[in-house]
Amino acid sequence: QQQVKQSPQSLIVQKGGISIINCAYENTAFDYFPWYQQFPGKGPALLIAIRPDVSEKKEGRFTISFNKSAKQFSLHIMDSQPGDSATYFCAASPSRAGTASKLTFGTGTRLQVTL
Amino acid sequence: DGGITQSPKYLFRKEGQNVTLSCEQNLNHDAMYWYRQDPGQGLRLIYYSQIVNDFQKGDIAEGYSVSREKKESFPLTVTSAQKNPTAFYLCASRRPGSTDTQYFGPGTRLTVL
Repeated sequence: QQQVKQSPQSLIVQKGGISIINCAYENTAFDYFPWYQQFPGKGPALLIAIRPDVSEKKEGRFTISFNKSAKQFSLHIMDSQPGDSATYFCAASPSRAGTASKLTFGTGTRLQVTL
Repeated sequence: DGGITQSPKYLFRKEGQNVTLSCEQNLNHDAMYWYRQDPGQGLRLIYYSQIVNDFQKGDIAEGYSVSREKKESFPLTVTSAQKNPTAFYLCASRRPGSTDTQYFGPGTRLTVL
């Protein structure tokens, strides 16, 4: 059972454009939503994360938008650069005590930013 | 440097052999995790440990075993019972507290010949 659905599977964006990746979750116990960036042959690195008490979080060119009622969240990459070309994973976990904060990952989006 | 190290980077195994993947962290984190990554399937949790001498099965534990004798170390053994072991294996750790961030190691790519 896939609890976090991610789309699109792949995305091609021109340099300077906006990249948008969407995720939807089912488990209402989830209350921590990170995005990870992974380059080929490397481990994922945390990019940005959000909790349900806010609807948006921005860090530099990266913004998470969160819609609790729809159980959806998305990553926006503004002014996309070729160096942003990577695979992006959304994830979710419950963070209450005793849950071990097990992350459930989406299936990933391969982003290619062209010149 | 503080971080998570995994070794080896590449590992080749013959069918029927057990193999152990190393994961070490010097971040003083209590919780550690093992994930398996296959193309198009994201990351799936194999085992996790919240404290020394304790660990729990994740979503795909069959054919794997772990130990947690030291806080810094969480080795994963891929046994011959794992039917399709070729994959990219990732270790992560987490510092309990206000953040739930998991930090990942560089991964080990296991290929069964």
